[in-house]
Amino acid sequence: QKEVEQNSGPLSVPEGAIASLNCTYSDRGSQSFFWYRQYSGKSPELIMSIYSNGDKEDGRFTAQLNKASQYVSLLIRDSQPSDSATYLCAVNGGSARQLTFGSGTQLTVLP
Amino acid sequence: DAMVIQNPRYQVTQFGKPVTLSCSQTLNHNVMYWYQQKSSQAPKLLFHYYDKDFNNEADTPDNFQSRRPNTSFCFLDIRSPGLGDAAMYLCATSRQGKNEQFFGPGTRLTVL
Repeated sequence: QKEVEQNSGPLSVPEGAIASLNCTYSDRGSQSFFWYRQYSGKSPELIMSIYSNGDKEDGRFTAQLNKASQYVSLLIRDSQPSDSATYLCAVNGGSARQLTFGSGTQLTVLP
Repeated sequence: DAMVIQNPRYQVTQFGKPVTLSCSQTLNHNVMYWYQQKSSQAPKLLFHYYDKDFNNEADTPDNFQSRRPNTSFCFLDIRSPGLGDAAMYLCATSRQGKNEQFFGPGTRLTVL
């Protein structure tokens, strides 16, 4: 069983729609959760971090964490073509001292 | 602006010819990481430093070595690159006790 799982996609949404990206993790002791955006050929860029259950909003981005269900999600409102990228979920804590990454979900926002 | 810098951005080497990739940071973070990322895969941690304390991942091949001469700089040495080592190499930093990691732009390594 993979430690951090994401749907690989590709996920396509029309411009202006809400994109929903999901991530599950296996280590119940995980404490820190991150979303990175990675454009093709570029390095990951941290866009959201969340540490407690509930929602955290930053601009058009909302991260949602449910530790009981071992689930973290990222919502992108009013999606733009510039949001087209691969989104990596990363988890830290529990038995793993370092970040464990999912393999990413490729998002395409269609104009 | 505070940042993580990697040089070179693109490196071409020949099979078996040693190569060194460099990373520097102006964030004054005491933790530095090296990752390998292949196409459509998650970044894979090779090793990391807490200050000068070196931590090697169990499955990192012996072909990969690292040096950190000071807080700001870290080097990745690939002693005998194979075709399977062609990848993007990512340097990241964090402040100890903080789990957020910040990545440099990466070095794309091609092995001929």
